[in-house]
Amino acid sequence: EIVMTQSPATLSVSPGESATLSCRASQSVSSNLAWYQQKPGQAPRLLIYGASTRATGIPARFSGSGSGTEFTLTISSLQSEDFAVYYCQQYYNWPPWTFGQGTKVDLK
Amino acid sequence: QVQLVESGGGVVQPGGSLRLSCAASGFTFSSYGIHWVRQAPGKGLEWVAFIRYDGSDKYYTDSVKGRFTISRDNSKNTLYLQMNSLRVEDTAVYYCAKVSLHSSGSSPFDYWGQGTLVTVSS
Repeated sequence: EIVMTQSPATLSVSPGESATLSCRASQSVSSNLAWYQQKPGQAPRLLIYGASTRATGIPARFSGSGSGTEFTLTISSLQSEDFAVYYCQQYYNWPPWTFGQGTKVDLK
Repeated sequence: QVQLVESGGGVVQPGGSLRLSCAASGFTFSSYGIHWVRQAPGKGLEWVAFIRYDGSDKYYTDSVKGRFTISRDNSKNTLYLQMNSLRVEDTAVYYCAKVSLHSSGSSPFDYWGQGTLVTVSS
């Protein structure tokens, strides 16, 4: 099973600043890596797939990078609606499909 | 537009059973694999089960093998999760989520339902 590890657990950011979230896989997942955003009481929403491709309707301030075992989600110029929990997920080696434990982006 | 609507959650005693449903619309249901993902209160996301577009293959996380069964009725555009021998640790919101690449498991989950809460408690 591939273990996904996200850091930090919580990231405190002011509106307008950028946020950098990290995700590490216990073995290579190539570029089969997705990022999801989840707000309280809502279902997760796909943000990024293929490590760097934005899903339909996702603003350009969200960008993903990395391959192999190290990945980054960057949110530039954070908006109020971006405060949420972010999960990475690998879909390279399955089953199981595995998620990181999440990074909460909150208001500084 | 793509819609996934879960139902069937509720409160059940340990050892009991529930059947969850996920009604799909807005896409060709019979062409896409679908997952169940759960989230315990205050916790992260945990993949539970996957079924291919035609039901030919099914996969489960180890903790539910032998207790949960995923199935689908493509004539009704509906996915199911039969949950037996429920445990307290199965308490969670259960989401259904479709794959973005129609028949592949190597695919992100592009649309999710709103979830249904299952509470296992005596």
